[in-house]
Amino acid sequence: AQKVTQAQTEISVVEKEDVTLDCVYETRDTTYYLFWYKQPPSGELVFLIRRNSFDEQNEISGRYSWNFQKSTSSFNFTITASQVVDSAVYFCALTLTTDSWGKLQFGAGTQVVVTP
Amino acid sequence: DAMVIQNPRYQVTQFGKPVTLSCSQTLNHNVMYWYQQKSSQAPKLLFHYYDKDFNNEADTPDNFQSRRPNTSFCFLDIRSPGLGDAAMYLCATSRAGGGDTQYFGPGTRLTVL
Repeated sequence: AQKVTQAQTEISVVEKEDVTLDCVYETRDTTYYLFWYKQPPSGELVFLIRRNSFDEQNEISGRYSWNFQKSTSSFNFTITASQVVDSAVYFCALTLTTDSWGKLQFGAGTQVVVTP
Repeated sequence: DAMVIQNPRYQVTQFGKPVTLSCSQTLNHNVMYWYQQKSSQAPKLLFHYYDKDFNNEADTPDNFQSRRPNTSFCFLDIRSPGLGDAAMYLCATSRAGGGDTQYFGPGTRLTVL
């Protein structure tokens, strides 16, 4: 069975500080995909990134960056120079390539609070 | 813009009164999902369709049913809502399951009085 752990329940930062969200996963499968979603107070889950298990390149998109390390089964997410609009719950999720339904295993989520 | 649409955004029903939530998509995706999300929890998968093939999660209550009359629409029926069914209901789609990205609608927040 798959498992995704987001150990940080809530992180509070002041605007312009950097914030790193941890995600650790467990699976016996060798082919899988990892995702990050953002859920602002409005409730919609917004897709941020998808990474397959064969691609360990780190990725940067604007103020967002992701660090994927298979050796430690981690897929961490950093927001640089945080802004109030970054306040949201962030979910890390995993699905197996072999799962034809694409069922997502979510972590518990990390609430990020950015204050001015 | 291609998207996932949910109606209504807010639904209030009475204890035991049937309610139907709807989801439509313009992405032409094969797979549609219904999730239930309670406060401070991760989304929990209720069912999914791959085209017309339906899969019910083992722990989805019998009180919950779903219909997918065509590619674009999917409905969630709650036959006799209880207070414990108050939650956000999220619809999502993906092109073909597997590792494809799921795109979510804005959700319907259900209140049961």
